[in-house]
Amino acid sequence: QVTLRESGPALVRPTQTLTLTCNFSGFSFNTDGMCVAWIRQAPGKALEWLALIDWDNGKYYSTSLKTRLTISKDTPKNQVVLTMTDMDPVDTATYYCARTYWGKSFDIWGQGTVVTVSS
Amino acid sequence: DIQMTQSPSSLSASVGDRVTITCRASQNIGNSLNWYQQTPGKAPNLLISAASSLQSGVPSRFSGSGSGTDFTLTITSLQPADFATYYCQQSFTTLYTFGQGTKLEIK
Repeated sequence: QVTLRESGPALVRPTQTLTLTCNFSGFSFNTDGMCVAWIRQAPGKALEWLALIDWDNGKYYSTSLKTRLTISKDTPKNQVVLTMTDMDPVDTATYYCARTYWGKSFDIWGQGTVVTVSS
Repeated sequence: DIQMTQSPSSLSASVGDRVTITCRASQNIGNSLNWYQQTPGKAPNLLISAASSLQSGVPSRFSGSGSGTDFTLTITSLQPADFATYYCQQSFTTLYTFGQGTKLEIK
């Protein structure tokens, strides 16, 4: 069974750096084509893709957010970490991690973690 | 980045109705188009990949079609569980983009 679970702080102060962790099971980065992405959704808004890391350590970022994002993976731990710098209240959202095989579609999602940016 | 535009933004329908949601890409994306369903408070769920490939476990009343720039999601014989928000998403490039969503409400 494939599962993903996001974790991180529920509250972040403006200008701080957010660090989110995605722990997964049921698949591995040792499999060619395996990728994990981060996607967020502000309250009442549409989904927004943020970043993706692939089995070969290829990293891809949203054009509008790439200067603030860093994605990394720990293959033995089955873990992906996303950092987002200089947080702002507009970054308040539910943050999801999701699996994609060869980047074709996000077939399995975590439950999401809610992050509020407020002083 | 490729822009994805869904229409309508919201839609009211009754149980048993047939509905169609449209998604248009700002450039040719072949068949690299996916559809997701999201209910309040839940993560999105992949319904259809590669424009028309129904995911395992998804009811056959859902279908997808299209290629290039124009795509449709059709739901025949709406069931109460189908009232949700639907998103299209392109995977033609690794700069993934989603549509703005279509909220399907009960009339």
